[in-house]
Amino acid sequence: GAGVSQTPSNKVTEKGKYVELRCDPISGHTALYWYRQSLGQGPEFLIYFQGTGAADDSGLPNDRFFAVRPEGSVSTLKIQRTERGDSAVYLCASSLNPGTMVNEQFFGPGTRLTVL
Amino acid sequence: ELKVEQNPLFLSMQEGKNYTIYCNYSTTSDRLYWYRQDPGKSLESLFVLLSNGAVKQEGRLMASLDTKARLSTLHITAAVHDLSATYFCAVDRGGSEKLVFGKGTKLTVNP
Repeated sequence: GAGVSQTPSNKVTEKGKYVELRCDPISGHTALYWYRQSLGQGPEFLIYFQGTGAADDSGLPNDRFFAVRPEGSVSTLKIQRTERGDSAVYLCASSLNPGTMVNEQFFGPGTRLTVL
Repeated sequence: ELKVEQNPLFLSMQEGKNYTIYCNYSTTSDRLYWYRQDPGKSLESLFVLLSNGAVKQEGRLMASLDTKARLSTLHITAAVHDLSATYFCAVDRGGSEKLVFGKGTKLTVNP
């Protein structure tokens, strides 16, 4: 079946602009996660949705970052007034069974964001 | 704060050799995961380890978990070039679904 998909695959923007990154999770997965991966580092958690609500947004670095999942499926990560330090690969993951013993997260291909 | 450390960060080995990657974590964790990432690609799930003493094997890779020592190992047997990739371990904690990742181990297997 289809995996997690993310669009666009690459996004180049200028400092100060607004960007939206989209994630389409695996069908039927109720949990959705956003991570950010800088060059040479492991992914860092940003936010986790259970259904439509953000269950944990403790990883969002500041109020320029916001994410929504209005219908409990597709999610959009929104970044306002982008800064060069926001450049990274933004990864989305989804899982079927949050709160159970095995909560395996399946990752999408990522969106590479470059802020000039 | 939950922290995850991997070592080594870089590993160059010859085909046919064995080696082990180590993953230490700082606080009690419910689950430990190993992922593989090829250059420019996303993360592929390799193993999920749930309990003390858990051991899982897939091909030339074997992962184990010692919750008392807060240590997981990923053992590579008779390495082949196709295993060249970056390997990440990640843990999460009871009540939290977020994964905390190590910095990764970049493995290069030379012919």
